[in-house]
Amino acid sequence: QKEVEQDPGPLSVPEGAIVSLNCTYSNSAFQYFMWYRQYSRKGPELLMYTYSSGNKEDGRFTAQVDKSSKYISLFIRDSQPSDSATYLCAMSGSGSARQLTFGSGTQLTVLP
Amino acid sequence: EAGVAQSPRYKIIEKRQSVAFWCNPISGHATLYWYQQILGQGPKLLIQFQNNGVVDDSQLPKDRFSAERLKGVDSTLKIQPAKLEDSAVYLCASSLDRASGNEQFFGPGTRLTVL
Repeated sequence: QKEVEQDPGPLSVPEGAIVSLNCTYSNSAFQYFMWYRQYSRKGPELLMYTYSSGNKEDGRFTAQVDKSSKYISLFIRDSQPSDSATYLCAMSGSGSARQLTFGSGTQLTVLP
Repeated sequence: EAGVAQSPRYKIIEKRQSVAFWCNPISGHATLYWYQQILGQGPKLLIQFQNNGVVDDSQLPKDRFSAERLKGVDSTLKIQPAKLEDSAVYLCASSLDRASGNEQFFGPGTRLTVL
């Protein structure tokens, strides 16, 4: 079993739709939860960063963490064609190294 | 602020040949990471440096892969000899320090094809 599971998609939605992206994990030691966005032929870029359980909102993006269920989500409101990318969840523990364990990524296409 | 630079962007080699990748992290970033991203998968950490010392190389196939960061700035990753399964994108990332490792800045990657 992988430490982090993520539905690879692909996911295709019309412009303006609400998008829900999810990851599950098995390692209880994970304390930090990130979402990275990766455009084609580019490196990942950090989108959202949360610590422990709860919600965090940044513009059209909301990240949710439910540690009791080992489940994290990213919601994108009013999705735009420019949101078309692969979304990677990533997690790390509380140790000093802060090494990231990534999911396999969900490929999202927002159709105009 | 300049981002993480990597070169070359693309490389095609035959199996059993050797190849080297170069990375220049963001100025002032003490921690540098090399990842391997196989098509359809998330990045997998190969090696982590803190300044010029290795923090973790547990997932680096040391029989064929080597990496160095001699002066604590630029880094090179080498594969010798390459195998077909090494075809992937090799990403370099940096963070301010180890404690800031959740916020890593990635370069564009080097896409390696081994024929």
